[in-house]
Amino acid sequence: LAKTTQPISMDSYEGQEVNITCSHNNIATNDYITWYQQFPSQGPRFIIQGYKTKVTNEVASLFIPADRKSSTLSLPRVSLSDTAVYYCLVGDFYGQNFVFGPGTRLSVLP
Amino acid sequence: DAGVTQSPTHLIKTRGQQVTLRCSPKSGHDTVSWYQQALGQGPQFIFQYYEEEERQRGNFPDRFSGHQFPNYSSELNVNALLLGDSALYLCASSYWTAPETQYFGPGTRLLVL
Repeated sequence: LAKTTQPISMDSYEGQEVNITCSHNNIATNDYITWYQQFPSQGPRFIIQGYKTKVTNEVASLFIPADRKSSTLSLPRVSLSDTAVYYCLVGDFYGQNFVFGPGTRLSVLP
Repeated sequence: DAGVTQSPTHLIKTRGQQVTLRCSPKSGHDTVSWYQQALGQGPQFIFQYYEEEERQRGNFPDRFSGHQFPNYSSELNVNALLLGDSALYLCASSYWTAPETQYFGPGTRLLVL
């Protein structure tokens, strides 16, 4: 699995857009980029997944540049309830398991 | 459509005891993976089951074992519990043919005293 690097923590205010960037320099051709959100004492929740360009769903957007060596999770107009840990994972996961790093701890302030 | 369910939600055991945790996958999913998450850390992969066989295993001792049943549900067993086994144990399910998307259950909080 490609190694990922993301900021340990970020602070934001309610109503702002938050962008969390993940670096994955050795991403392979068949690898997907997947983001999970986790609240304390709960299991991670799938947010969004992409392969290239831009993906958008009702929760977030995922921007992936042409070289795919990084990706950016964008959360529009965050609220206090978006305070959580966000994990970036990269891989095709066939014959491989999910490897979670420490994630990014997002704190949304009023 | 029920998501991934786990039982029990909380459990307290003493050192040396054995524990069994249970997981029912999301409807239609045939693959179950188990993770251990210590406080303040990301989930660590324990093992994965498909077609009632262990397919992959992380860096965990043989005290950790599992089983998958014909209905795709799964159990995680931990023998000879240590204080360091205290953690949130997460079950995740997926399709074997689409492993890139896993759905996680709420977890079982295990405390070993």
